[in-house]
Amino acid sequence: AQSVTQLGSHVSVSEGALVLLRCNYSSSVPPYLFWYVQYPNQGLQLLLKYTSAATLVKGINGFEAEFKKSETSFHLTKPSAHMSDAAEYFCAVSAFEGGSYIPTFGRGTSLIVHP
Amino acid sequence: NAGVTQTPKFRILKIGQSMTLQCTQDMNHNYMYWYRQDPGMGLKLIYYSVGAGITDKGEVPNGYNVSRSTTEDFPLRLELAAPSQTSVYFCASSQREPGVGYEQYFGPGTRLTVT
Repeated sequence: AQSVTQLGSHVSVSEGALVLLRCNYSSSVPPYLFWYVQYPNQGLQLLLKYTSAATLVKGINGFEAEFKKSETSFHLTKPSAHMSDAAEYFCAVSAFEGGSYIPTFGRGTSLIVHP
Repeated sequence: NAGVTQTPKFRILKIGQSMTLQCTQDMNHNYMYWYRQDPGMGLKLIYYSVGAGITDKGEVPNGYNVSRSTTEDFPLRLELAAPSQTSVYFCASSQREPGVGYEQYFGPGTRLTVT
């Protein structure tokens, strides 16, 4: 079985500050990992994905995430927050279990950006 | 490509009524999913399909039914609506990418209220 834990349901930062959203996962087999972003009243869209080719993954809008197998983590970061980054962020893990790839999502972290 | 489309965008149902949420994708994806999203709870998988004619239960299937007669369409049926089914419903699709897993593409969602 796989699971995802996102620490902190809300994260508040000032514009220009570092953004750090935490994600830890558990999986009995090597997983695929994703971060999705959801803007108000919209569906989710892919921010970045772990492909196993590189542990540091770069995504859209200046976000990046680092896969750390020893810590079972896939934290999302951005050096400088922008007002437009305010959204809900979801970490997801997908592993081949039970004969198919079924993703599991974390509960989400709401990013609040103050001027 | 339109991607994943969902209809309707909003709907109000009375307790005991039935309705079908429509979902269509034009990317020829094998996998399709239905999720519900409740505040602070992330996404819960209701049903999924790995191809036409094949469906399976997710984490919260009670009160819902699905069918997959074509690759493109994956409707979700609510037979006897209950207030507990008030939620935002998202349809998603995916296809296996070598080395990546199953990146998902989401529709814009259907906001359902049962009163």
